[in-house]
Amino acid sequence: EVQLVESGGGLVQPGGSLRLSCAASGFIFSDYWMSWVRQGPGKGLEWVAKIKGDGRAKVYVDSVKGRFTISRDNAQNSLFLQLNSLRVEDSAVYYCAREGYYYFEYWGQGTQVTVSS
Amino acid sequence: QSVLTQPPSVSGAPGQRVTISCTGLRPNLETSHDVHWYKQLPGTAPKLLIYGNINRPSGVPDRFSGSKSGTSASLAITGLQAEDEADYYCQSYDGSLDNFVFGTGTKVTVL
Repeated sequence: EVQLVESGGGLVQPGGSLRLSCAASGFIFSDYWMSWVRQGPGKGLEWVAKIKGDGRAKVYVDSVKGRFTISRDNAQNSLFLQLNSLRVEDSAVYYCAREGYYYFEYWGQGTQVTVSS
Repeated sequence: QSVLTQPPSVSGAPGQRVTISCTGLRPNLETSHDVHWYKQLPGTAPKLLIYGNINRPSGVPDRFSGSKSGTSASLAITGLQAEDEADYYCQSYDGSLDNFVFGTGTKVTVL
């Protein structure tokens, strides 16, 4: 059974940093592209970043380029998202997701990030 | 970032058929990608409902069906049930930006 479990969210001040983690199990982690998708309070879904199975290719949505960094540790079956220079508008539930063919086949339960002074 | 447009809400009585549109897809056949749909119950993560325009993952009832034509796609729910009350999102891929894009979301209400 595929499982994705996020952690690392919390309350942080504007300009602060957080590191989100996603523990994966039930599949060969290194075989899959993985993504982070976020959902602001009362808002829709927004794709944030993706990373290739071997970690060599990474793509970001424009709004987070230069501030967020996606990475993975295939030996630990873990996905990460480093969030720097956080803004109020980055407040959201952050989901990790395993990709299928240009879609999101499995989702974690999400971790809440709140940016507020 | 491009965004796909969906109606904010649709509603229907139990047993009825409702459809949700998703517009704003790439018009060029060479760059057009498939559309996928997700269902999200309040306070929970989205769940894949339709992939590749028309395909249902194992466990999704055949009351749910998807279609795509040109620059728009649709999700149809037939035999509407109380448990279908949720938010629904379409999603595609923008090859020119190498970004995934989501629809604005539609709240389905069962009257």
